[in-house]
Amino acid sequence: DAKTTQPNSMESNEEEPVHLPCNHSTISGTDYIHWYRQLPSQGPEYVIHGLTSNVNNRMASLAIAEDRKSSTLILHRATLRDAAVYYCILGVPTDSWGKLQFGAGTQVVVTP
Amino acid sequence: DAGVIQSPRHEVTEMGQEVTLRCKPISGHNSLFWYRQTMMRGLELLIYFNNNVPIDDSGMPEDRFSAKMPNASFSTLKIQPSEPRDSAVYFCASGQGGAEKLFFGSGTQLSVL
Repeated sequence: DAKTTQPNSMESNEEEPVHLPCNHSTISGTDYIHWYRQLPSQGPEYVIHGLTSNVNNRMASLAIAEDRKSSTLILHRATLRDAAVYYCILGVPTDSWGKLQFGAGTQVVVTP
Repeated sequence: DAGVIQSPRHEVTEMGQEVTLRCKPISGHNSLFWYRQTMMRGLELLIYFNNNVPIDDSGMPEDRFSAKMPNASFSTLKIQPSEPRDSAVYFCASGQGGAEKLFFGSGTQLSVL
């Protein structure tokens, strides 16, 4: 399975943008890039996903490199509620994505 | 919809006892996943079902673990006998084939003494 590499932690000030990098140099042509986040004492929560083009939704934006070997999740204005572990995962769209394997993720700390 | 419902929320048991964790997926979803989370190993996929059929159970740690999905609205994860190293948070998730996201439950915090 293709792996992802993320920084262990990142810190941001409230109301500032946060750019979370993810490297996936062994990504295959059929792998989608997914982002989930996990708030304290909760289950993971879907954030966004994409294949080749950049994607935007109400929670975040996903910027995908042209060679697809890396991507960046962008939180446009961090709030205290965005403090969570963010996971970058690769998955193929069969059987509801099948084996989504979570790595260690990036712990995002938001400072007032 | 109430989302993915897991029960119990917390379970404390003694080593050697049987433990059954329950999950009700979101209505209409045809895929169901069981994950386990520990500080040491993070989130691990244990098993997943599609249309009530187990597709991949390669993540199940050993024969003491078993999972069933008798119908589209219910699944169980059983540990028999339980051991202290099984202590973890167990998450259930569901999704609709071809859809964009998985929905996770709030988890069951299992403590085996």
